[in-house]
Amino acid sequence: QLQLQESGPGLVKPSETLSLTCTVSGGSISSSSYYWGWIRQPPGKGLEWIGSIYYSGSTYYNPSLKSRVTISVDTSKNQFSLKLSSVTAADTAVYYCARLDAWGQGTLVTVSS
Amino acid sequence: DIVMTQTPLSSPVTLGQPASISCRSSQSLVHSDGNTYLSWLQQRPGQPPRLLIYKISNRFSGVPDRFSGSGAGTDFTLKISRVEAEDVGVYYCTQATQFPWTFGQGTKVEIK
Repeated sequence: QLQLQESGPGLVKPSETLSLTCTVSGGSISSSSYYWGWIRQPPGKGLEWIGSIYYSGSTYYNPSLKSRVTISVDTSKNQFSLKLSSVTAADTAVYYCARLDAWGQGTLVTVSS
Repeated sequence: DIVMTQTPLSSPVTLGQPASISCRSSQSLVHSDGNTYLSWLQQRPGQPPRLLIYKISNRFSGVPDRFSGSGAGTDFTLKISRVEAEDVGVYYCTQATQFPWTFGQGTKVEIK
């Protein structure tokens, strides 16, 4: 059974870079034609797609965040990662890694000094 | 960007009664490969989203058959034939036909 788990700091200071990692177990991140993505959900609000990385390494980002986002993959560790730079309070949210048919539990990231 | 609009945004339902959620996209979701990448997610309180339906009408593994999806082009519907207590939560439609992937605003299903 495919499982995803987010990890990273729960508190980030304004203007700094948010960094999260998603560890995939129960399947190989590079073995099949799937998109691996990051989605966020501000407290009490809906879902926002941040971006995705294809198993081949191609990346796709939400234009509203594109200038600040980098998604990368480390196939040796079966992980993919998110970096979001120059964060503000508006970036406070629960961040999920997902493959649409499988979601991590989510991790709350708060942007505050 | 493709805008996904759900109605209603709130749906109070009596246990055992049906519920229906509509999702309309601002443009056709038919991909150049012929597939329509419209999915439905369920988010129970305090939980991550969970895939219910993919490609309009395909139930994901383990999803009860009281959930069904239908539609085509720009208009889609999720139906729950008989609402159970465990169905309480927020339901989202989402499209993966075109980047950026987008979500509907969510429809909250609650028990009357």
